[in-house]
Amino acid sequence: AQTVTQSQPEMSVQEAETVTLSCTYDTSESDYYLFWYKQPPSRQMILVIRQEAYKQQNATENRFSVNFQKAAKSFSLKISDSQLGDAAMYFCAYRRASEGAQKLVFGQGTRLTINP
Amino acid sequence: GAVVSQHPSRVICKSGTSVKIECRSLDFQATTMFWYRQFPKQSLMLMATSNEGSKATYEQGVEKDKFLINHASLTLSTLTVTSAHPEDSSFYICSARRGAKYEQYFGPGTRLTVT
Repeated sequence: AQTVTQSQPEMSVQEAETVTLSCTYDTSESDYYLFWYKQPPSRQMILVIRQEAYKQQNATENRFSVNFQKAAKSFSLKISDSQLGDAAMYFCAYRRASEGAQKLVFGQGTRLTINP
Repeated sequence: GAVVSQHPSRVICKSGTSVKIECRSLDFQATTMFWYRQFPKQSLMLMATSNEGSKATYEQGVEKDKFLINHASLTLSTLTVTSAHPEDSSFYICSARRGAKYEQYFGPGTRLTVT
């Protein structure tokens, strides 16, 4: 079974600084998707960024980028120029790419605090 | 686009009663919907996968007779917690899959409190 591990229960960063959240996963599949979701205090899950495993290029969305290391099964999220609105729980998630394999497997989450 | 709503956002019920939570995809047709449970300061736990017009697939350890899921249309899935007990108090979140693409879009969640 696939597993996703986030080893940092909590992280904090100064506003405008850069922070990196770690995620590792375990799978025997070669084709899959990886995601980072943000859950602010409102509890609404928001997709931050996604990565297809077959793509070598790391995904980027504005201030958010990932470092995808397929051989190491590592998928970290870098947030640049941190803003107060980035404070939230962040969940790393995995999904197989095969048709019908729709289930997301979530990590335990990392609570990110932004210090003004 | 890709908005998912849940109703109610909060509900309080007495032990032994049943409560229904609705999940709607507002601007797209969802062939598959998912129901999650989230305890405080914990991750999301998938309870079941619901495909339109067929029976839901429950995860191991989830009682299908207690958590009834109906997905009668392409825009609506319901979760009914039957004979609720205080230990069923939790935050329930649904998500919907849009077509053949891999994104899941999440609803805002429903906080259930059983007294």
